[in-house]
Amino acid sequence: AQSVAQPEDQVNVAEGNPLTVKCTYSVSGNPYLFWYVQYPNRGLQFLLKYITGDNLVKGSYGFEAEFNKSQTSFHLKKPSALVSDSALYFCAVRDYTGRRALTFGSGTRLQVQP
Amino acid sequence: GAVVSQHPSRVICKSGTSVKIECRSLDFQATTMFWYRQFPKQSLMLMATSNEGSKATYEQGVEKDKFLINHASLTLSTLTVTSAHPEDSSFYICSASRSDGQETQYFGPGTRLLVL
Repeated sequence: AQSVAQPEDQVNVAEGNPLTVKCTYSVSGNPYLFWYVQYPNRGLQFLLKYITGDNLVKGSYGFEAEFNKSQTSFHLKKPSALVSDSALYFCAVRDYTGRRALTFGSGTRLQVQP
Repeated sequence: GAVVSQHPSRVICKSGTSVKIECRSLDFQATTMFWYRQFPKQSLMLMATSNEGSKATYEQGVEKDKFLINHASLTLSTLTVTSAHPEDSSFYICSASRSDGQETQYFGPGTRLLVL
């Protein structure tokens, strides 16, 4: 069975400061990893993914994530946070050999203060 | 781009009625679509996987006779909540994977269902 853990319910950061949203995963085989963002009463928007290749993945809106196989982590980062980044962030995983459905973490609410 | 639409965005119905939610991939073909349910302040829970031209695969605990899924074409999947009850009130979100194996799921904007 595959699972995702997002240990922080909420992350607070001041505008202009770097941000990190943590994610660890468990999957049999090689993982496909994703980050999505959700604004209130909206669906999920794709930010970035890791399938294979370079461990540092760059995505939309200046976000990036680093795949760390030994630590089974895929933390989301941004060098300089914006107030408009405030939203709910979900990490998701699937096993490349298994079914294509995603397993989501519990979500982390990012609050960027001006 | 990869745009997925859902209709309606919001629906209020009486208990005992049925509600149909449409999910469309607007600019790509999707052999597989997924239906999720999200409760307030919670994560997405997969309900079923919908494959074009075949029966949907339901997750454990999801009643297939209550949540009818039809994937009639490569761009359309529908979820019908039959004989809805207040406990079915939720945010329903669909997603679609492109048929080119890119693996990314693109999500619709969601449908808010309120059963009175």
